[in-house]
Amino acid sequence: DAGVTQSPTHLIKTRGQQVTLRCSPISGHKSVSWYQQVLGQGPQFIFQYYEKEERGRGNFPDRFSARQFPNYSSELNVNALLLGDSALYLCASSTGTGVYEQYFGPGTRLTVT
Amino acid sequence: GQQLNQSPQSMFIQEGEDVSMNCTSSSIFNTWLWYKQDPGEGPVLLIALYKAGELTSNGRLTAQFGITRKDSFLNISASIPSDVGIYFCAGRDYNQGGKLIFGQGTELSVKP
Repeated sequence: DAGVTQSPTHLIKTRGQQVTLRCSPISGHKSVSWYQQVLGQGPQFIFQYYEKEERGRGNFPDRFSARQFPNYSSELNVNALLLGDSALYLCASSTGTGVYEQYFGPGTRLTVT
Repeated sequence: GQQLNQSPQSMFIQEGEDVSMNCTSSSIFNTWLWYKQDPGEGPVLLIALYKAGELTSNGRLTAQFGITRKDSFLNISASIPSDVGIYFCAGRDYNQGGKLIFGQGTELSVKP
């Protein structure tokens, strides 16, 4: 069975631009969470979605937004990119909000110049 | 952002050695997870713990959910070269839904 998939693998953007990252969860999983991982640190929670509704939000500015589609895939959008947004963006899926074993995708490496 | 205190930050291992690492939190968690991350990849789930005092094994890996619910431990027995990587603990606060809070990671390297 396919694991969590993310696209694109790598991305280079300029300050001020906007970016959209995509995630497809494991088949049968209905919850998707997004994390930001800066080099040398552990992942930081950004959002959790379940059944197309936001179920949790981390301490990130409003420039960060996300949505989940009927097929449970998800997009993370970041507007007005800053140099500090450069990081590995990870998507994790789980069967539901009541299950806490989250399975991560390979991530999207975003570089802002 | 909020993080757990994970130690040691790094350690060198020699093949065959046992390895121990731990994670502490200032708040109570009701779930502890341990992940391993290799360079350029996402974290891979190793062990999940759901009850205080629980001891769970996955092959040569053993993890424990601390009695106080504020800490967790991971042991690797008879280490092999492929154990090299970064290990993260992650905890879930009862009132935080599916949000996982991660430690800073313990980097395992091979002794020169």
